[in-house]
Amino acid sequence: DAKTTQPTSMDCAEGRAANLPCNHSTISGNEYVYWYRQIHSQGPQYIIHGLKNNETNEMASLIITEDRKSSTLILPHATLRDTAVYYCIVKEITDKLIFGTGTRLQVFP
Amino acid sequence: NAGVMQNPRHLVRRRGQEARLRCSPMKGHSHVYWYRQLPEEGLKFMVYLQKENIIDESGMPKERFSAEFPKEGPSILRIQQVVRGDSAAYFCASSRSGQGRVGHYGYTFGSGTRLTVV
Repeated sequence: DAKTTQPTSMDCAEGRAANLPCNHSTISGNEYVYWYRQIHSQGPQYIIHGLKNNETNEMASLIITEDRKSSTLILPHATLRDTAVYYCIVKEITDKLIFGTGTRLQVFP
Repeated sequence: NAGVMQNPRHLVRRRGQEARLRCSPMKGHSHVYWYRQLPEEGLKFMVYLQKENIIDESGMPKERFSAEFPKEGPSILRIQQVVRGDSAAYFCASSRSGQGRVGHYGYTFGSGTRLTVV
């Protein structure tokens, strides 16, 4: 079973930052936080992952709280093409990915 | 630098027929994972394979479903005697190693095979 809690859906205006929260209060010390997204029934796409430090790449930033019980994925300038279901997953590196229900992000013009 | 290749993209089978779904992992990837996504639902893990070995099949239905990843060639997900409830999108993912180190960049997914049972 998924170990994370995410809002079912969110809206964001194009060009604004999209902040997607995720709660993982039972995360263990060896578990990483991964984010994937699925655009309109395509295969899921890896976005970013982190252990305890904040991470940034060309797609997004990941902010993990100091107690690691929650995190936020930030898309700094959302575009219409960012409309997708976003999955927050916690797991050890050697574990398989288990998807929850995710957050359906709708970016509007 | 091709990604994960799945074929066919769409497959229609009559009830009782067999469905064979193929997945070629990314170059250099030796670990393959299969997921199923029913309409309007999330992805469910089915099976994890390395070359010639099934590592974790905890998500596979007990009957009619099988998977292999031979030494040569693609991974195959086989569904025998399909029923309407098998209609779904089947996604394959690959990774460089199941024993990921720091800097592991996650799985790469294919575009999926959409199976329709009529």
